[in-house]
Amino acid sequence: AQKVTQAQTEISVVEKEDVTLDCVYETRDTTYYLFWYKQPPSGELVFLIRRNSFDEQNEISGRYSWNFQKSTSSFNFTITASQVVDSAVYFCALSEGRRGGNKLTFGTGTQLKVEL
Amino acid sequence: DADVTQTPRNRITKTGKRIMLECSQTKGHDRMYWYRQDPGLGLRLIYYSFDVKDINKGEISDGYSVSRQAQAKFSLSLESAIPNQTALYFCATSEPTGTGGNQPQHFGDGTRLSIL
Repeated sequence: AQKVTQAQTEISVVEKEDVTLDCVYETRDTTYYLFWYKQPPSGELVFLIRRNSFDEQNEISGRYSWNFQKSTSSFNFTITASQVVDSAVYFCALSEGRRGGNKLTFGTGTQLKVEL
Repeated sequence: DADVTQTPRNRITKTGKRIMLECSQTKGHDRMYWYRQDPGLGLRLIYYSFDVKDINKGEISDGYSVSRQAQAKFSLSLESAIPNQTALYFCATSEPTGTGGNQPQHFGDGTRLSIL
């Protein structure tokens, strides 16, 4: 069975600090997809990124970057120069390949608080 | 207008009542999903549907039922609500898995359900 672990329940940083959110996953499938979603205080879920198991290239989007390492089964998310607007719960999620039907297994989330 | 609309946004009801949560989408996606979110547990899949004639149980389907009335509509019912079904419920949609692999799911704004 697939599993996603976000060991950091809550992280507090001061604005402009860099912060990394950890995500470790388990799956027996060789084809799988990893996702990050953001849930701001307003409650909606916002899709941030998708990565497939064949593409270990790191990705950068503005202040956001993602480090995918199959050797350690991790897909970590870094926010550079954090801002108050980054305060949210961040979820990492996994879906297995075609057999899995795109069902998402979520981690328990990391609450990020960015303070002035 | 939102692409994925959930109604109601909030509901308070009593134990034993029948409740229906509705979801409609304008994204034209075939796949639809229902999740519940509980504090500290992340999101868990209740039911999912790949098209009008295809409905599948998720991780935690006991106590719930669904109806896919049309491609754009997917309803979740609690036949006899109990207090431990108090949670935030999300509907999501996605495109089918094709050559591009598993696609991101797009979420509605959620329904906050309280059962007294």
